Amino acid sequence: EIVLTQSPGTLSLSPGERATLSCRAGQSLGDKYLAWYQQKPGQAPRLLIYGASTRATGIPERFSGSGSGTDFTLTISRLDPEDFAVYYCQQYGRSPVTFGLGTKVEIK
Amino acid sequence: EVQLVESGGGLVQPGGSLRLSCGVSGFSFDDHAMHWVRQVPGQGLEWVSGISWNSARTGYADSVRGRFTISRDNAKNSLDLQMNSLRPEDTAFYYCARDTSGSYSWSLLDYWGEGTVVTVSS
Repeated sequence: EIVLTQSPGTLSLSPGERATLSCRAGQSLGDKYLAWYQQKPGQAPRLLIYGASTRATGIPERFSGSGSGTDFTLTISRLDPEDFAVYYCQQYGRSPVTFGLGTKVEIK
Repeated sequence: EVQLVESGGGLVQPGGSLRLSCGVSGFSFDDHAMHWVRQVPGQGLEWVSGISWNSARTGYADSVRGRFTISRDNAKNSLDLQMNSLRPEDTAFYYCARDTSGSYSWSLLDYWGEGTVVTVSS
């Protein structure tokens, strides 16, 4: 199975700052089937980005994804108070689907 | 509005069984594969099982294969997960999730339920 390593484990930032989250795959995702999810406490995950860089329906433009091969990035251009949450990357299209362990974005 | 609502969670002894259900509304259920994903509180997400739109294909994580069975009833817009021989390490929130595709092996999950908690303990 494809292992996804997310870094950092925790990101401490202030509202308005830029957040950069990393996801590294154990083997190349040449097809860019990489997704990002946001999860707030007590809530289900929400799909943010798929295909490495396509925003899901209703996702604000401050969220962007990039990357290819084994290295992918989720960027939140200016943190809104509602953006403090845990973010997971996921590879899909290859069985079994796998998730990273998550990056927590917390208020500094 | 797309809605997925899980039910059936609870406390069960090791070795016991539990059947989870997920009722859906707001979309054409038989156009989509469906999945179960679990999460130990405070930890990450683990894919458990998936089923294609027509039940022709199913898949399981190694950790549950042979103990869990996924099924669906397109006429009733429902998804089930039969869990047998439960272990303490199966304790988690269990989410049902919709695949954007009809094939479970695609596994891009665009809608999730709120989850139901399963606790395996004596």
